[in-house]
This record gives sequence, C-alpha cells and structure tokens, in this order.
Amino acid sequence: QSVLTQPPSVSGAPGQRVTVSCTGSSSNIGADYDVHWYQQLPGGAPKLLLFADSHRPSGVPDRFSGSKSGTSASLVIAGLQAEDEADYYCQSYDSSLSGVVFGGGTKVTVL
Amino acid sequence: QITLKESGPTLVKPTQTLTLTCTFSGFSLIKSGVGVVWIRQPPGKALEWLAFIYWGDNKHYSPSLKNRLSITKDTSKNQVVLTMTNMDPADTATYYCAHQSDIAEPHPFDYWGQGLLVTVSS
Repeated sequence: QSVLTQPPSVSGAPGQRVTVSCTGSSSNIGADYDVHWYQQLPGGAPKLLLFADSHRPSGVPDRFSGSKSGTSASLVIAGLQAEDEADYYCQSYDSSLSGVVFGGGTKVTVL
Repeated sequence: QITLKESGPTLVKPTQTLTLTCTFSGFSLIKSGVGVVWIRQPPGKALEWLAFIYWGDNKHYSPSLKNRLSITKDTSKNQVVLTMTNMDPADTATYYCAHQSDIAEPHPFDYWGQGLLVTVSS
C-alpha cells in the first residue's frame, strides 16, 4: 500500500483532457512538500515530467501541467496523444517516515 | 550530458548479499548539492525508494530496509555502490540509480539509469 494514493488507471480519447490525482496526508503533501511527477513508458525507465508541483523540465510539452492543494496534487494532460500512453507516478517526502514516498502509479490509456 | 548505468548480478540466491554499482558521467559527487539515489520496481508494481547519498557523504535509507542496506561512493571512479543483505524472492525487481537535482525540495530525480532486473531465486 503506497503512502500516496493514485487511481490505478485513467483513459481518454486523443485530444481529450485527463487528470491523474495523487492523494497524501498531513505528513507529506499536506505539509507542503513539493510533489514531482514521472512518466514511465512501456519497458522504459521513469522520466521526470514535472517538478515542484507544476514546473516542467526542458523538453516536456506544455500539455502537461500540475497543481497542488491541501493534501492532494494533480497531473493534467491536455490534448491527450497516443505517445502519452504510459504509467505516471507522483513523488514527495514524508516527515513521519523520514523518507521519499511514491504513489502507486496510474496507467494512462489512450482509447 | 548526464548518464548513469547500473551493473551487477542479474540472479542471486536467497540469503545472499546483492552488490550493485552505479557508474555515472556528466557530474561529480564532490560538487555541493549533488546526490545519487537507488530506487527499485518489482515487476508490475510501483517505484520504491531505497537509499541516497550526497556529495558530503550524508546517507539516508528507507526506514523499512535500512537494516539491510549500505550505500557508498567512490568519487575517483564516479561510482555509487549499493549493497543489500539477506536477499529474498520478494526483492526481485528492476533496480535503478538516478541523479538527484537540487532544484527543489525534496530533490527530484532528473536523470535515470536504464535499470537492472535482479531476480532472487534458488
């Protein structure tokens, strides 16, 4: 059971907007620790997609955006494309556990 | 250009000790703010943080695994070594090393190795 809770799967048609949620608690996201998001394409290593809640590293398309409120964070993919089909993980820090925590991952499927 | 690559055995027996090496280029572990992390992913499951080491030799371990883990660095060889004792079939996973960026807190992992699948079986 992951400390950060993500829906196992979300899906959408090409061009649609999808949202992946990441729910934590007062000892991680709620304590205002930054949330980072990773994209893992099938068979590949994770890739940093967003850092510090909403910032995109160089080269990440602007259809990916993020936000945080209270004990939750969200990743939004606007204008879903076939190449966005992947697993997405959120990551933060937990002060009770004194360590890095990941979400359980969300598989995004393009219909 | 930052690159990392994991190396080590792909098959270990239960109760053995696993030693993995992360060989990197494009950065130095003597530079302030730099860190390297180990993360694993069992087949079909989520990512799990194991340990990280910083330029000043500060080390942090997953609380659930700290009794079995050790992380060290060799700055002359640009390597970070992770050892995990008393391996169990439940430790079967792809093991990744990654570069920690200091652009945010907690530090995000901005460059990853390709991963090494380690199977624990007799």
